[in-house]
Amino acid sequence: RKEVEQDPGPFNVPEGATVAFNCTYSNSASQSFFWYRQDCRKEPKLLMSVYSSGNEDGRFTAQLNRASQYISLLIRDSKLSDSATYLCVVTNYGQNFVFGPGTRLSVLP
Amino acid sequence: GAVVSQHPSWVICKSGTSVKIECRSLDFQATTMFWYRQFPKQSLMLMATSNEGSKATYEQGVEKDKFLINHASLTLSTLTVTSAHPEDSSFYICSASPTGAGNQPQHFGDGTRLSIL
Repeated sequence: RKEVEQDPGPFNVPEGATVAFNCTYSNSASQSFFWYRQDCRKEPKLLMSVYSSGNEDGRFTAQLNRASQYISLLIRDSKLSDSATYLCVVTNYGQNFVFGPGTRLSVLP
Repeated sequence: GAVVSQHPSWVICKSGTSVKIECRSLDFQATTMFWYRQFPKQSLMLMATSNEGSKATYEQGVEKDKFLINHASLTLSTLTVTSAHPEDSSFYICSASPTGAGNQPQHFGDGTRLSIL
C-alpha cells in the first residue's frame, strides 16, 4: 500500500461546480498535512495547510480526520483557473514529506 | 518570504555531459533541502534529502554516484547529474523550509527541465 493515496482522477467538471478530492495516508505518526497544486510543467505551489479543526480559504475548504487518516479538499464555484493537479502532502515534523500521486482537475467552460 | 531559487530553469545538452543544478534559499536558512524528479504525467518522486554539512540521504533506487549532492552552506544545495544520458531527461525540483520550522510546508524552486540529446 502506498503511503499517501489520492483519488485517481481526472476530474472534469463544468465551471461553477463543486468538486471534492480525497486523500488517505498510512503513517499514523504523520503530523502535518498540506494541499499543493501543480500546473502543467511547473513546480508545486502551496495551496493550503490542513488543520485538525478544518479550515477554509475562500472557495477552498480542507478537512482532516486523524482517526480515519483521511484528508479532503473541497473547491466550490470552480473556475477555469482551478484546472491543475492537486497534491496531498503528509509529513512528520518536517523529516519526511510524502507526496500523493495527485489528482488532475479540468474545469470546463 | 520563503523564496527558493533554482538554476538553471532549462538545460539541453549532449549525452555524457555532467549537469549541475543549484537550489538556493533566498531569505531563509535551510539545514535540509529535498530533491525531486518528475517524469511527464507522473507524480513527484523524492530522490534525496540534502543535509548541510553532511552526506545526503538517497531514496532507494537512486544512484548516489550518479546524482551527486552537495549542501555546503545553509542556503545552497547542488545536484550534479553525472554523465547524463537520455533516460535522465526529466523535471528536477528542489524544495526547502526554514531551519527549525518544524511542520511548516516546503517551498519549491521553479524546477529545472533537463533534456539530454
